[in-house]
Amino acid sequence: AAGVIQSPRHLIKEKRETATLKCYPIPRHDTVYWYQQGPGQDPQFLISFYEKMQSDKGSIPDRFSAQQFSDYHSELNMSSLELGDSALYFCASSSEQGTTDTQYFGPGTRLTVL
Amino acid sequence: ELKVEQNPLFLSMQEGKNYTIYCNYSTTSDRLYWYRQDPGKSLESLFVLLSNGAVKQEGRLMASLDTKARLSTLHITAAVHDLSATYFCAVDRMEYGNKLVFGAGTILRVKS
Repeated sequence: AAGVIQSPRHLIKEKRETATLKCYPIPRHDTVYWYQQGPGQDPQFLISFYEKMQSDKGSIPDRFSAQQFSDYHSELNMSSLELGDSALYFCASSSEQGTTDTQYFGPGTRLTVL
Repeated sequence: ELKVEQNPLFLSMQEGKNYTIYCNYSTTSDRLYWYRQDPGKSLESLFVLLSNGAVKQEGRLMASLDTKARLSTLHITAAVHDLSATYFCAVDRMEYGNKLVFGAGTILRVKS
């Protein structure tokens, strides 16, 4: 079965650079969630989209922005990167917000900021 | 605000033994999830529990939900080394946009 696809899988950036992470949800899933997981921590919700509209926002820095496109893929844009942004970034998708469908997680993008 | 507490945070156990991980949450939730994560890997969905008294089993893992006590348990039966991983519980609520709120995770090490 098709799973959530994230790219790139690994990314190394310098401080103050920008990064773009991409997420391709499971086909026919219309909701995308972004989570950040720091070393040894639990995943923290950043932002979500339902039918291409932002549906919820968590503890996402103003330096980060995201959107969901017409084909339902999503991109997380991160600017002025800081050392503390080094983390695993997960995208998860589900079908139809508010249903009993679980969120399926992608493999994650490991971002390292030097 | 949804908050989730797990305990223990670290569990070292011998193969063949049984143990339980506990997950408490602060307010009414719609669903409770258990995920498994291997080091540096993604989150693998184990169970989704929807209603009071729900019990689900898969292999050596069994999860249960008591919504009145706001408590879920993940019971491990006759542990084997392959179960070594970090286990997270998480909850969501429709009115909070279904975002997942995770517990801190339980690091499980099964020693042979």
